[in-house]
Amino acid sequence: QVQLVQSGAEVKKPGASVKVSCRASGYTFTNYYMHWVRQAPGQGLEWMGVINPSGGTTGDAQNFQGRITMTRDTSTSTVYMELTSLRSEDTAVYYCARGQGYTSSWFDNWGQGTLVTVSS
Amino acid sequence: EIVLTQSPGTLSLSPGERATLSCRASQTLSSSYLAWYQQKPGQAPRLLIYYASTRAPGIPARFSGSGSGTEFTLTISGLQSEDIAVYYCQQFNNWPPAFGQGTKVEIK
Repeated sequence: QVQLVQSGAEVKKPGASVKVSCRASGYTFTNYYMHWVRQAPGQGLEWMGVINPSGGTTGDAQNFQGRITMTRDTSTSTVYMELTSLRSEDTAVYYCARGQGYTSSWFDNWGQGTLVTVSS
Repeated sequence: EIVLTQSPGTLSLSPGERATLSCRASQTLSSSYLAWYQQKPGQAPRLLIYYASTRAPGIPARFSGSGSGTEFTLTISGLQSEDIAVYYCQQFNNWPPAFGQGTKVEIK
């Protein structure tokens, strides 16, 4: 079965960076896109960006341009999302989610989430 | 950017009742590019419906989606206690993908 397993919770200081991993199994890694979605405490879902595991092409939401980097390692079927210049508003649970497409996509499988806390 | 507005914010119903959740888009979604998700407390979202009315694998038949254009509906026929959750709609018609703010379903 499809599984997306994310790295553990992180606590970071303002201005620092965080890198979250998402390891995929149960399907051909390069056949599906991987998206990142975050959820601040008590809030809704916010789409952040997407990576094509096949070619490495990425796209991200305007809110995160310049601060987000997504990469992948096809040898371990893992994608990474790095967010820089963290501020308190970045405190959230970060999810990876498998998508059918790059731009037109719903998300059929989700990771368990990674809590990132930004606090001085 | 397309904005999705969900209503009501909270729905409180008795077990067995029908729940009707609404999602309105600020622009027409061609080909009904809309999905619905269920999120229970402390869990990741789960895909229920895509292309407005296609149930995802393993989703019970009591969940159904309908609508087109700018107006979409998620219906839960015969509410069960395990359906307590927040439900989100999501459009994938335009870049960037976007979610509604959610509807919380409670059991009376």
